[in-house]
Amino acid sequence: AQSVSQHNHHVILSEAASLELGCNYSYGGTVNLFWYVQYPGQHLQLLLKYFSGDPLVKGIKGFEAEFIKSKFSFNLRKPSVQWSDTAEYFCAVNAARGYSTLTFGKGTMLLVSP
Amino acid sequence: GAVVSQHPSRVICKSGTSVKIECRSLDFQATTMFWYRQFPKQSLMLMATSNEGSKATYEQGVEKDKFLINHASLTLSTLTVTSAHPEDSSFYICSAWDSLGVPDQPQHFGDGTRLSIL
Repeated sequence: AQSVSQHNHHVILSEAASLELGCNYSYGGTVNLFWYVQYPGQHLQLLLKYFSGDPLVKGIKGFEAEFIKSKFSFNLRKPSVQWSDTAEYFCAVNAARGYSTLTFGKGTMLLVSP
Repeated sequence: GAVVSQHPSRVICKSGTSVKIECRSLDFQATTMFWYRQFPKQSLMLMATSNEGSKATYEQGVEKDKFLINHASLTLSTLTVTSAHPEDSSFYICSAWDSLGVPDQPQHFGDGTRLSIL
């Protein structure tokens, strides 16, 4: 079974600061990797995903993530955060074998102060 | 894009009541839907996988008699919390896969149902 570890439970940044949220997974096979965002009072939304190919993936709203297979990591980055990025961010993984279930990390709450 | 509708968004009821939550895929077919539960300050935990036309697959520790799942059509799955108690209070979220899409597509999530048992 796969597992996902997110390093920070809470992150507080000022606007324009750079962001990097850590995510590590454990699984013996090939995986798909996702970052989801949950804005206050809203449902989960997909930020970006990695299935194969270029390990640097770009998502919506200026976010990107890099898959480093040797480190089992899929860290989320954004060069300059905005107040509107305040949300909870979840890393998730599933086995790359058709319809398999998602395993989520515990989430990181990002608070961006104006 | 693909939309998943979950209803109701909020339920407050007395202990011992049974509560039904619906999850609908509005513009795609979903042979597989998933039910998650999210406790405060914790991640989503998969409860069960709902398969159209067959029995749901429950995760370890989830009582199948407590959380009844029915997936009667390609666009609807329901979760019934039977005889709910305060410890069942949580945020329940469903997700669905587009069955006609290629595998490895991301899941589409509903808005969730906040269940509060008094």
